[in-house]
Amino acid sequence: NAGVTQTPKFRVLKTGQSMTLLCAQDMNHEYMYWYRQDPGMGLRLIHYSVGEGTTAKGEVPDGYNVSRLKKQNFLLGLESAAPSQTSVYFCASSYETGGIQDTQYFGPGTRLTVL
Amino acid sequence: DAKTTQPTSMDCAEGRAANLPCNHSTISGNEYVYWYRQIHSQGPQYIIHGLKNNETNEMASLIITEDRKSSTLILPHATLRDTAVYYCIVRDLNTNAGKSTFGDGTTLTVKP
Repeated sequence: NAGVTQTPKFRVLKTGQSMTLLCAQDMNHEYMYWYRQDPGMGLRLIHYSVGEGTTAKGEVPDGYNVSRLKKQNFLLGLESAAPSQTSVYFCASSYETGGIQDTQYFGPGTRLTVL
Repeated sequence: DAKTTQPTSMDCAEGRAANLPCNHSTISGNEYVYWYRQIHSQGPQYIIHGLKNNETNEMASLIITEDRKSSTLILPHATLRDTAVYYCIVRDLNTNAGKSTFGDGTTLTVKP
């Protein structure tokens, strides 16, 4: 059971380039989340998904797009990277939202630098 | 979801109990209290959660006040490996998943 995995672990982009971050979970969780964490700060929710084929905006969605074509995968896209998107990106999943099954399991993170 | 307030940092001696407070004075009756921690550069890790009763697991104990406006996470015998940022969050039973907010947490430093 690998839990939540993220690809890649590190990436350096130039301003204006695009890329996709991949999150995969093998726990059959319905809910998946993308967060960003800037130095010395807590996590902020970018986008989330409540099930296959669904996505929704979180707290800081601008500049990002997501897709959930398969239940186990949640992709985060940057169409035109900006230096302000330099951050560590964490993916998480949970069985459900609210109540006792709301425990989120996090991936190891992707460290993205935009020059 | 209710907002939480935590001290920015705390120290604890190795082997002693670490008591981390969290204020959630606007918590509603449907909201659970969750604790996570994040060891340097890693993804956050679930510790424990509760609604109104005190809870204990192999990692920690959670004490929730009777009025539910505050809680304390207790690590009974802190080790150096418990040095981390600890996040207290509240989650509604019927929550909109988009309201997941972690805040800045408490940086716990366990000293030898």
